[in-house]
Parts: sequence; structure tokens; C-alpha cells
Amino acid sequence: QVQLVQSGAEVKKPGSSVKVSCATSGGTFSAYPISWLRQAPGQGLEWMGNFISMFGTSKKAQKFQDRITITADESTSTAYMELGSLRSEDTAVYYCARVAHTGYLDYWGQGTLVTVSS
Amino acid sequence: DIQMTQSPSSLSASVGDRVTITCRASQGISNSLAWYQQRPGKAPKLLLFAASRLDSGVPSRFSGSGSGTDYTLTISSLQPEDFASYYCQQYFTFPWTFGQGTKVEIK
Repeated sequence: QVQLVQSGAEVKKPGSSVKVSCATSGGTFSAYPISWLRQAPGQGLEWMGNFISMFGTSKKAQKFQDRITITADESTSTAYMELGSLRSEDTAVYYCARVAHTGYLDYWGQGTLVTVSS
Repeated sequence: DIQMTQSPSSLSASVGDRVTITCRASQGISNSLAWYQQRPGKAPKLLLFAASRLDSGVPSRFSGSGSGTDYTLTISSLQPEDFASYYCQQYFTFPWTFGQGTKVEIK
């Protein structure tokens, strides 16, 4: 079955960057975009951007446009999200999710806690 | 951006109760709406897509309806494992946006 396994928790200093990985299995990696989302403590879900492996392109939320890099390595079926210029407000659980054909998210990673603290 | 307004933000209910959660979009989204369940400390899980289509393996006590800007998630008979938070998501247009969530608690 389809599985998305994310990298482990991170603690980062303000101003630094973090790179989270999302290893997929059980499906055709290039056939489905991967979404990145986050959830701050006690808050709701926020969409950050998508990587469309088939075209090697990404779609990003304007809020993160200047700070986020979304990539993938098709040879290992792994997607990556790098967020730079971290600040305390970026402390959150970051999720990757597979995008079904029309835009809903049918499989999710387990989440990666990123803590930004001096 | 399309704003998704979910109500109520929380509710208390008993096992066996019928529960309804609503989601209103700030503009029409042509049934491009999904519902997710999230248990504490876990990733969200897809329940329904296209407003009313049940994802594979989701119990039939969950149902969705609506059109245009107004959508509803109904749990016909609440079970102990249904106590969780629920989120709606529009995927009609970018940026994809979510409702603020509804926490279903045990009465």
C-alpha cells in the first residue's frame, strides 16, 4: 500500500533553514504531486506548496514564496521541502501528503516536528 | 484566497448521536471539497472528497453533502473512535485552504 515516511524531528535556530524529507513507496511517484502542509501547535492546517514530479515543477503559497524550496529525487521516490529564514512562528508539525488527481490529499506522512528556538 | 469557515469550532456529543459540521466557502468551489479526520498526535486522514464521495475504507456512517459555497459533514451515529478533530479543505483553486477545524468531544 502507499506509504509516506518523513524524516525526524528538528530543532533549529532563528534565521537558519530546515530540510524535511518524505520517502514514498507503494505507488508510482511521478504520477502524483506531493503537497507540503504545516500545523502550528493547537492550530489548523496550512497548505505550503506542491511538487509536480511529472513536470519537475512546484506550486507555492505566496506566503512562503521567498523562503520555500520544494524538490524531489525520482530515483529514490523522495520529496523534499526546505524552509529558510526560520523564525519562532515556523514552529510546527510539517506534513507531506500525496495529491490525488483532482486535488484532495489521500495519503499523508506521519509529520515532522520542527522547533525554532534560540 | 478562498476563506473556509467551519462551524461549530467544537461540540460535545454522546456515542450514538448524529453530528453535523458545516463548512462555508467565501466563493463557490464547485464541490471541490474534502473532509479530513485528525486524532490527537496523528496525521489527518481523508474521509470524503468531491463533497460527498467516501474514501475507500471509510465507514458509511460518514456522509457529505452540499453545493456552491455551503457543505456539510454528517456522522449518523457517533462511535468512540470518532472523537477527533475534523477539517474541510477546498481544492477548487490555489492556494488550497482549510477550515479552522471542529473538535468533537465526548459529552
